[in-house]
Amino acid sequence: DAGITQSPRHKVTETGTPVTLRCHQTENHRYMYWYRQDPGHGLRLIHYSYGVKDTDKGEVSDGYSVSRSKTEDFLLTLESATSSQTSVYFCAIRAHGQNYGYTFGSGTRLTVV
Amino acid sequence: GESVGLHLPTLSVQEGDNSIINCAYSNSASDYFIWYKQESGKGPQFIIDIRSNMDKRQGQRVTVLLNKTVKHLSLQIAATQPGDSAVYFCAENIKAAGNKLTFGGGTRVLVKP
Repeated sequence: DAGITQSPRHKVTETGTPVTLRCHQTENHRYMYWYRQDPGHGLRLIHYSYGVKDTDKGEVSDGYSVSRSKTEDFLLTLESATSSQTSVYFCAIRAHGQNYGYTFGSGTRLTVV
Repeated sequence: GESVGLHLPTLSVQEGDNSIINCAYSNSASDYFIWYKQESGKGPQFIIDIRSNMDKRQGQRVTVLLNKTVKHLSLQIAATQPGDSAVYFCAENIKAAGNKLTFGGGTRVLVKP
């Protein structure tokens, strides 16, 4: 998706290891979000950010942390990955002052074995 | 908590026919609604939005209807094409809750040739 890039696109990791997913945007948008998508649950908000060093928890934040040291980057970290965190993770961005629609990245498929 | 939901998990439609995807929401404070389309392996893509002070909005081949009395949202796709096969999500925004989107579970649309 134009202006927003997620990396890696795919990752397999072992239970108990730390994992960091990266979301990078070139739109200079203020708001950034991390969602996970699982069958039967749709998209659920993990963490979000209103700006540099300004983050907050979403509905499924346990086991995850985030950091935003620059406007363009929003990192999602699984401190100690568990099998329940196997999912597809999406980052989204939104500009301040415009409509409330988000632009989503292409997603990261994470498998914890 | 309050959430957005969908009536039909899968909708099969003949190519050329019209499709109607329904969504129920429960939060009367929602002020903005969006429909997203998600194709396999991709992130959700914005289709059309509608503000709570409107009851209908039209785009190219798509129409969104909002009935606030019964808290119901629908997406109509005219002359459905094979490229319309995807999962469709509705989402609601609550400005008072910090403008975070809450997503429904999704409806898969299968277009039969």
